[in-house]
Amino acid sequence: AQSVTQLGSHVSVSEGALVLLRCNYSSSVPPYLFWYVQYPNQGLQLLLKYTSAATLVKGINGFEAEFKKSETSFHLTKPSAHMSDAAEYFCAVSVPASGGSYIPTFGRGTSLIVHP
Amino acid sequence: DAGVIQSPRHEVTEMGQEVTLRCKPISGHNSLFWYRQTMMRGLELLIYFNNNVPIDDSGMPEDRFSAKMPNASFSTLKIQPSEPRDSAVYFCASSSGTGSYNEQFFGPGTRLTVL
Repeated sequence: AQSVTQLGSHVSVSEGALVLLRCNYSSSVPPYLFWYVQYPNQGLQLLLKYTSAATLVKGINGFEAEFKKSETSFHLTKPSAHMSDAAEYFCAVSVPASGGSYIPTFGRGTSLIVHP
Repeated sequence: DAGVIQSPRHEVTEMGQEVTLRCKPISGHNSLFWYRQTMMRGLELLIYFNNNVPIDDSGMPEDRFSAKMPNASFSTLKIQPSEPRDSAVYFCASSSGTGSYNEQFFGPGTRLTVL
């Protein structure tokens, strides 16, 4: 069975500080990995995705994530936090499902809090 | 494109009433997903369709929940009868193709409150 674990339901940083949101996965097949962001009262939107090309993936708003197979991790980072980054972040792994299609399994989410 | 459209955005109803949530996926997308989000359980996949056909409904909590997709541009999620524990935000998402790397596009959600 596939699963996603996001360490820390809440992460608090100061504006301008490094952002690190952790994600570990388990998968019996090579995974496809995603990070989504959810702003208050909105749906999820894609930040970035790993599809077995480069292991370092760059996304929108200055975020990036590195796929490390040996550590089964896909942590999300941003060098300098901005107040507008405050949101809920979800890691997801895409796995084979019925009918030959793929569906993502989402982590529980990490709430990023940015202090002035 | 207008993105995924959901209606209503907010629904307040009384226990025992029927609730119908609606979704219009992005034109050209052939996969559609219904999720439920709560503080306790996080984001749960309820059911997904591929080419209007339900593929996996194992996430539907019980028989009170049903979903349909009569055509490629419309889907409904119905709860009958509704209960207070159904209170949650319900999201619809769509994606193109069935590839593992296809991202999902989420609607803004319907916030359901059952009194």
